[in-house]
Amino acid sequence: GNSVTQMEGPVTLSEEAFLTINCTYTATGYPSLFWYVQYPGEGLQLLLKATKADDKGSNKGFEATYRKETTSFHLEKGSVQVSDSAVYFCALSDQNTGNQFYFGTGTSLTVIP
Amino acid sequence: NAGVTQTPKFQVLKTGQSMTLQCAQDMNHNSMYWYRQDPGMGLRLIYYSASEGTTDKGEVPNGYNVSRLNKREFSLRLESAAPSQTSVYFCASSEITLRQARGAFFGQGTRLTVV
Repeated sequence: GNSVTQMEGPVTLSEEAFLTINCTYTATGYPSLFWYVQYPGEGLQLLLKATKADDKGSNKGFEATYRKETTSFHLEKGSVQVSDSAVYFCALSDQNTGNQFYFGTGTSLTVIP
Repeated sequence: NAGVTQTPKFQVLKTGQSMTLQCAQDMNHNSMYWYRQDPGMGLRLIYYSASEGTTDKGEVPNGYNVSRLNKREFSLRLESAAPSQTSVYFCASSEITLRQARGAFFGQGTRLTVV
């Protein structure tokens, strides 16, 4: 079946530090992969996506590369800011299972000045 | 452009009461979803509707029913609320064509407490 596993949190970083949040997936077909961000009290917002192997999604300084050989989609940012403090969710969508989205459990990030 | 609108934003129910959570999207998306979010559990799919006129169970459908009223609206009903249904509920919509998933768009959530 389909599933997403992402690194446990919480993660605490100092401002301007490098961020990596690991995400691996299991899928029956050829999924599309996503990262979402959730700020306190809000819904999830799409951060970036990749639809096929070796695609790189990027937005607001965040990047993730679709690695089919390692079934991974790790989120990276070179220099985090306090405003990046949020919960990050990795997700996949697989048309073979009726367009459902499968989410990881989320990783909480806190950036301290 | 409102996107996905959920009502109400907050609700407190007594055990055994019923209620309907409303969701509407104005992006002309085919697919709509209801998730619940609980601490440490991520988002779990309750029901989804791949297109108007169809609904399917997700991971945790017990205790819930849904109605895809039209292309815009997808409601979630709790017939007899239980404390285990205390959660934050999110509605989402998406458009997926030719294997190109554009991502799901989420409402702001409904915080439900069952006492």
